[in-house]
Amino acid sequence: GESVGLHLPTLSVQEGDNSIINCAYSNSASDYFIWYKQESGKGPQFIIDIRSNMDKRQGQRVTVLLNKTVKHLSLQIAATQPGDSAVYFCAEIYYGQNFVFGPGTRLSVLP
Amino acid sequence: GAGVSQSPRYKVAKRGQDVALRCDPISGHVSLFWYQQALGQGPEFLTYFQNEAQLDKSGLPSDRFFAERPEGSVSTLKIQRTQQEDSAVYLCASSHPTEETQYFGPGTRLLVL
Repeated sequence: GESVGLHLPTLSVQEGDNSIINCAYSNSASDYFIWYKQESGKGPQFIIDIRSNMDKRQGQRVTVLLNKTVKHLSLQIAATQPGDSAVYFCAEIYYGQNFVFGPGTRLSVLP
Repeated sequence: GAGVSQSPRYKVAKRGQDVALRCDPISGHVSLFWYQQALGQGPEFLTYFQNEAQLDKSGLPSDRFFAERPEGSVSTLKIQRTQQEDSAVYLCASSHPTEETQYFGPGTRLLVL
């Protein structure tokens, strides 16, 4: 389930289950969105992106859903693995270069 | 190189000391960004370069922060008279001219004592 940690909300899932990480964005002008994965001691790593003219995009084991009506973005990870444990950030991009990151969610995969 | 590199990876500074953080972007990436990431938070924008031109420095928290990219490749973020609240991870990212995706380096973790 989800809980609010000291700074980051945390999602704990069993290995093999599906994970859903949510993100609310704020700017109606945002037309491009990216999910990043950040492991401890490393920089954010690109996972998947989606443009505002789409509502769903699939990658390998990951799917991003975009609901512009309520300004909501989600990342679905299928068959979650221990290597998926990390902090996940959504980023909304407007006017091409302006990146605004969400607060992040820590995904913890339980054996 | 294959990705964005940053140095040093870790820096401990005494309060009042000046520090310089280096970023080597991906070859061919004209856009370069600096972010500050506090513990448990997402990256926050500091400044942006296109080639050697600093087009946006609205995120720099004070005039103690200064960034440069004199030849349009390597960039340096300098913090003068460091204070404890400057302790954070400083991330550099670059992007290709034809895409918006930013690729991040590993960051420099700065601790000011």
